[in-house]
Amino acid sequence: SAVISQKPSRDICQRGTSLTIQCQVDSQVTMMFWYRQQPGQSLTLIATANQGSEATYESGFVIDKFPISRPNLTFSTLTVSNMSPEDSSIYLCSVGSKVGNTGELFFGEGSRLTVL
Amino acid sequence: GESVGLHLPTLSVQEGDNSIINCAYSNSASDYFIWYKQESGKGPQFIIDIRSNMDKRQGQRVTVLLNKTVKHLSLQIAATQPGDSAVYFCAEMGGSYIPTFGRGTSLIVHP
Repeated sequence: SAVISQKPSRDICQRGTSLTIQCQVDSQVTMMFWYRQQPGQSLTLIATANQGSEATYESGFVIDKFPISRPNLTFSTLTVSNMSPEDSSIYLCSVGSKVGNTGELFFGEGSRLTVL
Repeated sequence: GESVGLHLPTLSVQEGDNSIINCAYSNSASDYFIWYKQESGKGPQFIIDIRSNMDKRQGQRVTVLLNKTVKHLSLQIAATQPGDSAVYFCAEMGGSYIPTFGRGTSLIVHP
């Protein structure tokens, strides 16, 4: 298993500002992901954070809006840029294991953002 | 695109009853399925998984059933407890290592 720490756990932000969420894992992991979970909804994958290279974004998500860094195998950041109320959501960091093609993802507690 | 969905958004049960949470998937290429539990204010937690070459898998108080003919997945929780109250998500995987999550079912256990 992996222990994932995210911060901030929650924040209230003003429209037009940007916020960076940090994700720290207690062990080196190959696969690291960022998900968004809008209120009462399921999880939507934003991007895969690749160590040493640009993140791989899913359809509907772009680097200018959600820049991601992954400087090493235990840490990643997600920035939500130029926020609007529609960005109010929970953002979840997740890590996975490719051993045996498992889908056993481990999630952080999430960062709950409210944009006014 | 293809999607994963759930039949019931909310399920209310009495403590001690058995719970069944259903999930329909549409991607016939999916070969691996996972159930996650998300308690309020927390991230999802892996419960149990099943591969497409199986039709049943049991864990501690939980059983997952897979019917590939009708593309249906279910999670059975035996002797449901108040601590089981949470949102349950099914997820499916095909050729990638990244699960696609379904809509979620809220399980409410009444003492």
